[in-house]
Amino acid sequence: EAGVAQSPRYKIIEKRQSVAFWCNPISGHATLYWYQQILGQGPKLLIQFQNNGVVDDSQLPKDRFSAERLKGVDSTLKIQPAKLEDSAVYLCASSQPPPRSLDGYTFGSGTRLTVV
Amino acid sequence: AQTVTQSQPEMSVQEAETVTLSCTYDTSENNYYLFWYKQPPSRQMILVIRQEAYKQQNATENRFSVNFQKAAKSFSLKISDSQLGDTAMYFCAFMKHRATSGTYKYIFGTGTRLKVLA
Repeated sequence: EAGVAQSPRYKIIEKRQSVAFWCNPISGHATLYWYQQILGQGPKLLIQFQNNGVVDDSQLPKDRFSAERLKGVDSTLKIQPAKLEDSAVYLCASSQPPPRSLDGYTFGSGTRLTVV
Repeated sequence: AQTVTQSQPEMSVQEAETVTLSCTYDTSENNYYLFWYKQPPSRQMILVIRQEAYKQQNATENRFSVNFQKAAKSFSLKISDSQLGDTAMYFCAFMKHRATSGTYKYIFGTGTRLKVLA
């Protein structure tokens, strides 16, 4: 089966600019996750979707970050305006809905964002 | 609150040797799941192995096995016959259940960078 697709792979922007990331999950996976991975740290969940509804966005900085999952398939994550501390790898993952999510997630290769 | 601790930031091992990566966690739950993920330079997180807390038998996947000590809240990963392709970051993760929504979320450790030497 095809994996989780993410684009772009790399992005360099200046602070205060905006940026958007795209994710296409594995076909049939109802649950989609966006993670932020700062260098030297483990991934941190930003937002979790079940189909096109939000399950958890408690750690999403809502003043600058937004995410949507139209039609319960593809998803976009946007940052506007970006700050230097947003420099990180943004990982998208998908899974079957619970309890099948206990089988583990499939991750994409991420987008490395550098804010200068 | 659940936490996951990986106390070894970096490790190295000779090719064909065995290495053990440590992980401890803290939880008040009785039923939970633990995972090890591998993140090579390609950045894609790859599931290595998972363990259900209610199972006493340690999980094994080919060269990868775990030593799960529930009372000690320890979950170490053993890699046998290390290969150059095992060079990667390894993350231990605890799967937390959200009672309000019936969904799950990972709590990841900070990772151990493993280098396999030729």
